[in-house]
Amino acid sequence: AQSVTQPDIHITVSEGASLELRCNYSYGATPYLFWYVQSPGQGLQLLLKYFSGDTLVQGIKGFEAEFKRSQSSFNLRKPSVHWSDAAEYFCAVGNTGNQFYFGTGTSLTVIP
Amino acid sequence: KAGVTQTPRYLIKTRGQQVTLSCSPISGHRSVSWYQQTPGQGLQFLFEYFSETQRNKGNFPGRFSGRQFSNSRSEMNVSTLELGDSALYLCASSSAGTGYNEQFFGPGTRLTVL
Repeated sequence: AQSVTQPDIHITVSEGASLELRCNYSYGATPYLFWYVQSPGQGLQLLLKYFSGDTLVQGIKGFEAEFKRSQSSFNLRKPSVHWSDAAEYFCAVGNTGNQFYFGTGTSLTVIP
Repeated sequence: KAGVTQTPRYLIKTRGQQVTLSCSPISGHRSVSWYQQTPGQGLQFLFEYFSETQRNKGNFPGRFSGRQFSNSRSEMNVSTLELGDSALYLCASSSAGTGYNEQFFGPGTRLTVL
């Protein structure tokens, strides 16, 4: 069965510090992987996606993620966090049948 | 292109009532998926419709149902509401049938059951 685990429920970082949000997935074949961000009262916005090819994926707002098949991970990173990055972040895995499975999310707080 | 729209944005109902939520996908998108989002549970997949047919279904009771119209607009219905149905209901649309798909989300409908 497919599943996604985001081990960190809540993370607090200082503005300007680096960020890494963890995501582990369970999927038998090559997964389609996504990171979404949700600001309060908003829907989900796609940050980046991995389908195949280069395992380091660049996204919007300065985010990147690295697919590591051996670790079944797809961690999201940003070298320098801005106050506007405070939000909830979701990792998701999809399959060719258009089914998507989401993690429970990581809430990010940015301290000035 | 206009994004995914959901109506209404907020709803307050009482236990035992039923409710219908609406979702209009991005023009040209034929797949619509519904999710329930609650604190601590993340997004739970309800069902997906493609070309008016339910193609995928999550693990929710039969009180949750949906349909899709020929213009790809979708509705979901929850009958005999329970307090635990209070949640943000998100709709997402995508273009292709299968394969590499990206979902675009609407702002959600916040349902409160009293």
